[in-house]
Amino acid sequence: DTGVSQDPRHKITKRGQNVTFRCDPISEHNRLYWYRQTLGQGPEFLTYFQNEAQLEKSRLLSDRFSAERPKGSFSTLEIQRTEQGDSAMYLCASSSMTGNTEAFFGQGTRLTVV
Amino acid sequence: LAKTTQPISMDSYEGQEVNITCSHNNIATNDYITWYQQFPSQGPRFIIQGYKTKVTNEVASLFIPADRKSSTLSLPRVSLSDTAVYYCLVGDRGKSTFGDGTTLTVKP
Repeated sequence: DTGVSQDPRHKITKRGQNVTFRCDPISEHNRLYWYRQTLGQGPEFLTYFQNEAQLEKSRLLSDRFSAERPKGSFSTLEIQRTEQGDSAMYLCASSSMTGNTEAFFGQGTRLTVV
Repeated sequence: LAKTTQPISMDSYEGQEVNITCSHNNIATNDYITWYQQFPSQGPRFIIQGYKTKVTNEVASLFIPADRKSSTLSLPRVSLSDTAVYYCLVGDRGKSTFGDGTTLTVKP
């Protein structure tokens, strides 16, 4: 399977703990995106990378959130001092840089903060 | 980022054609229009993308009027497995705004 891969698929954590999610994009894709989706809502854009550079961050991405893509391949999204409001599905997507091709999404990581 | 407006829900029956219209009055000149399908607990899946006029692929057609302020996704002969949430997006690839989508329910 050469699609976008996310790990873990599910994460349950206690409030105040830190969590980290990983995304492996489609190998030839330069762009990588993170989204958050809560129940009954559409995905909300968080941030995106072009290669290793983080080019845009949504105001939804508070100081407790940080994303990295150190070598321009996989990416990590860390949430520090989790809050119950952080409970959501975190989606990663990737796309190529040329043309206006679509973004391919992973299956997501479902985070539950208890 | 352009905001989109879609019907919250639609019902259809197997074998019928379904048309879902999306309004995007503030679409920018460089924005493409993309439609995604999402099943519960899965990531969105690309259906079709267009800039103007009509685009057709093996699963759907996309109609875009000259002013580009709206678009219509057409699904021919839907089946039960087409029951899902459908999102209309405008923008640059992944940097797009998802609305709340249209929940399509296909009945036997």
